[in-house]
Amino acid sequence: DGGITQSPKYLFRKEGQNVTLSCEQNLNHDAMYWYRQDPGQGLRLIYYSQIVNDFQKGDIAEGYSVSREKKESFPLTVTSAQKNPTAFYLCASSSRLAGEGFEQYFGPGTRLTVT
Amino acid sequence: SQQGEEDPQALSIQEGENATMNCSYKTSINNLQWYRQNSGRGLVHLILIRSNEREKHSGRLRVTLDTSKKSSSLLITASRAADTASYFCAPRTGITGGGNKLTFGTGTQLKVEL
Repeated sequence: DGGITQSPKYLFRKEGQNVTLSCEQNLNHDAMYWYRQDPGQGLRLIYYSQIVNDFQKGDIAEGYSVSREKKESFPLTVTSAQKNPTAFYLCASSSRLAGEGFEQYFGPGTRLTVT
Repeated sequence: SQQGEEDPQALSIQEGENATMNCSYKTSINNLQWYRQNSGRGLVHLILIRSNEREKHSGRLRVTLDTSKKSSSLLITASRAADTASYFCAPRTGITGGGNKLTFGTGTQLKVEL
């Protein structure tokens, strides 16, 4: 069964703690993405990676960090420097093959609450 | 990447009716994609229309694209309660390298009532 998994579904943390959100895909996609969604809002791009060992900042990268050591995995760390970390976090992946439309496939999301 | 702007923000219809939502964007595109998000879930890709296409169908979905007006519309025919969701458009430019990025707007919230 191919797809993207995110864990955990719900995460609660105290302010000042770093937290890492997991994202794994078995679609053999080169590109992976992290988005943040706030209530009633669209998605905002945090970081993206087009290939292993390479990643770029998106529109709201401050206070976040990522790594891409394996093709299948793209974990996101929400650091204590992120001023308002409570949000719904979505991971996605897409193919980079020529001729593809680069449709993105999304995981189920992780809802992070920081108090 | 560029943001698609969906209109209306919210739409409420009766089951069986058609639902139309629109998307406008700013610059030239390679393709435009529509996604659905059920409450509290990830997005699901619905349909992609390329810049050289004017209309595309998939089941009860019909997408049109007018590149001269920089706009697209998504029509859901014979709507069902299960179509209740938020719908997002995502224009994609043809720029290589960073061109895989998509920027999503705030979406159209569709509610289909029984």
